[in-house]
Amino acid sequence: AQSVTQPDIHITVSEGASLELRCNYSYGATPYLFWYVQSPGQGLQLLLKYFSGDTLVQGIKGFEAEFKRSQSSFNLRKPSVHWSDAAEYFCAVFLNDRGSTLGRLYFGRGTQLTVWP
Amino acid sequence: EAQVTQNPRYLITVTGKKLTVTCSQNMNHEYMSWYRQDPGLGLRQIYYSMNVEVTDKGDVPEGYKVSRKEKRNFPLILESPSPNQTSLYFCASSLGTANGYTFGSGTRLTVV
Repeated sequence: AQSVTQPDIHITVSEGASLELRCNYSYGATPYLFWYVQSPGQGLQLLLKYFSGDTLVQGIKGFEAEFKRSQSSFNLRKPSVHWSDAAEYFCAVFLNDRGSTLGRLYFGRGTQLTVWP
Repeated sequence: EAQVTQNPRYLITVTGKKLTVTCSQNMNHEYMSWYRQDPGLGLRQIYYSMNVEVTDKGDVPEGYKVSRKEKRNFPLILESPSPNQTSLYFCASSLGTANGYTFGSGTRLTVV
């Protein structure tokens, strides 16, 4: 079963415009949630993570994400996009093995962001 | 510097020729994992290891083998590669909990 869904395969925005990338998860309890970014030809870089507490988390590069339990969502936002933000973005959820602090990291299928000058 | 090192970065091989992609970490992490990344499918877990000599299948283990004889190394073995294993592969290590995932730079494999 798909644990994390990114509904948008590709998004195009103009430089300076605001951005929101959607992520929904399917899990009974509150999972640990992450956003990663992958620039062309590069590995994965952690943007931000949510474990508990304040539902609005700040990350690197001016990104933030909001956890909404009622909507099972963890959407990534940025007020003003820069051309260098063009990349692929992955939402991920860490799920514990039953009765353990250990578990596995599951990824969504990714959203490709194109930024127009 | 704490890192996960994969080799090679790029590999082109022929169908059926056994190959090994190496992965090494210097953070004394117990947990290591292999993912493959394909367009439109995101990253899917192939195998993971909770500790030395402890490995388990991920979501797409068919056609792959792994071994974990020592904590720092977790090689991915393709005994008889096929074209559908052409992909970008990532190794990761962590403490096994939600924190502290570190990814390697990736290995782009092409099987012709």
